Amino acid sequence: SAVISQKPSRDICQRGTSLTIQCQVDSQVTMMFWYRQQPGQSLTLIATANQGSEATYESGFVIDKFPISRPNLTFSTLTVSNMSPEDSSIYLCSVESGLYGYTFGSGTRLTVV
Amino acid sequence: TQLLEQSPQFLSIQEGENLTVYCNSSSVFSSLQWYRQEPGEGPVLLVTVVTGGEVKKLKRLTFQFGDARKDSSLHITAAQPGDTGLYLCAGEKGNEKLTFGTGTRLTIIP
Repeated sequence: SAVISQKPSRDICQRGTSLTIQCQVDSQVTMMFWYRQQPGQSLTLIATANQGSEATYESGFVIDKFPISRPNLTFSTLTVSNMSPEDSSIYLCSVESGLYGYTFGSGTRLTVV
Repeated sequence: TQLLEQSPQFLSIQEGENLTVYCNSSSVFSSLQWYRQEPGEGPVLLVTVVTGGEVKKLKRLTFQFGDARKDSSLHITAAQPGDTGLYLCAGEKGNEKLTFGTGTRLTIIP
């Protein structure tokens, strides 16, 4: 299965600032997925990132707030913009791994103060 | 609307006991996956079930997919502290996005 390197693992940010989260995959993948997870809760899909096209956002998530880049088939970034305390959460990237289901990064724990 | 409801939401039991976690939906899924997530890590796939009525065993873990492919269960025999974590079911329907369940937080007390 694919291996994903996600960073940073955690950060504490001031409200009004932005944070960019990076995910690097050890193999080429068509789609990368970005999720948000409140600690101890389930995962909510933010958007799907395809290389060469704009990301597809789920209901409740907009590009201005969560811009995504996908410059190649092994890398993607998610930016959390103009942060507020309500953005405090765990953010995860994921790729489909065929028979192995989906592989996830280790997550970025974001705290906005 | 959460399509996959898990029960119980929280479960704390003594080491050596047995337990069952349920994942229920009114929708039919082409496959259902179970993940375990530990603190500071992403979810890790445990198993994928694809056939109605299918039973898969992974050491002390037994997974079952309902005949109608709307529900699933995870049974753990003789639970150990290493089983502690957040268990998530997730369903796939064709080309639709993966839908995660509400999650079950399991704590095994030594």
